Amino acid sequence: QVHLQESGPGLVKPSETLSLTCTVSGGSMNNFYWSWIRQPPGKGLEWIGYIYYSGRTNYNPSLKSRVTISIDTSKYQFSLKLDSVTAADTAVYYCARSTAPDSWGQGTLVTVSS
Amino acid sequence: EILLTQSPDTLSLSPGERATLSCGASQNVASMYVAWFQQKPGQAPRLLMYGVSTRANGIPERFSGSGSGTDFTLTISRLEPEDFAVYYCQHYGSAPFTFGGGTKVEIK
Repeated sequence: QVHLQESGPGLVKPSETLSLTCTVSGGSMNNFYWSWIRQPPGKGLEWIGYIYYSGRTNYNPSLKSRVTISIDTSKYQFSLKLDSVTAADTAVYYCARSTAPDSWGQGTLVTVSS
Repeated sequence: EILLTQSPDTLSLSPGERATLSCGASQNVASMYVAWFQQKPGQAPRLLMYGVSTRANGIPERFSGSGSGTDFTLTISRLEPEDFAVYYCQHYGSAPFTFGGGTKVEIK
């Protein structure tokens, strides 16, 4: 059974870059889409983007100018970078497998604050 | 971008009752790419249904999905205590993928 685990700083200063990594275990990354999804406290889910194992990406247009998702299948990891963050980017960030995600990480709270 | 509107916001029901959750799309969802998720407090969402009506692994038969075009429904035939949670629909047919705002199913 595949397991996903997010890692990265829980606190990021405004205008800086949020960086998270998702480590995948228990399964291959090949032939899958890998997604990032976030959830502001007390609110609903927002799709950030995905990366296919080959490296092809697709991003939410509302975040596209600030988002980069990358993948390193040799390390069983994929990553999220979000530039120029503001308080509005404070959320629980989830990594997940597939476009209708069937496996999710536990989520990591990232707070944007000085 | 396809916008998804879920209704009602909150559904107050008793165990054993039937729950009907709706998800409306602002335009046709291509090829039936609609999924449903359940989320409990402090937990990641869990995939319930994909392809509108296919149950994910391990999901009980009391959960069923239906619909086409712009109108989709998740039905829980008889609510069990563990079913009280928030439910989200999602379309994933063409990016950007979006989620509905959620329906909370609470104990009456």
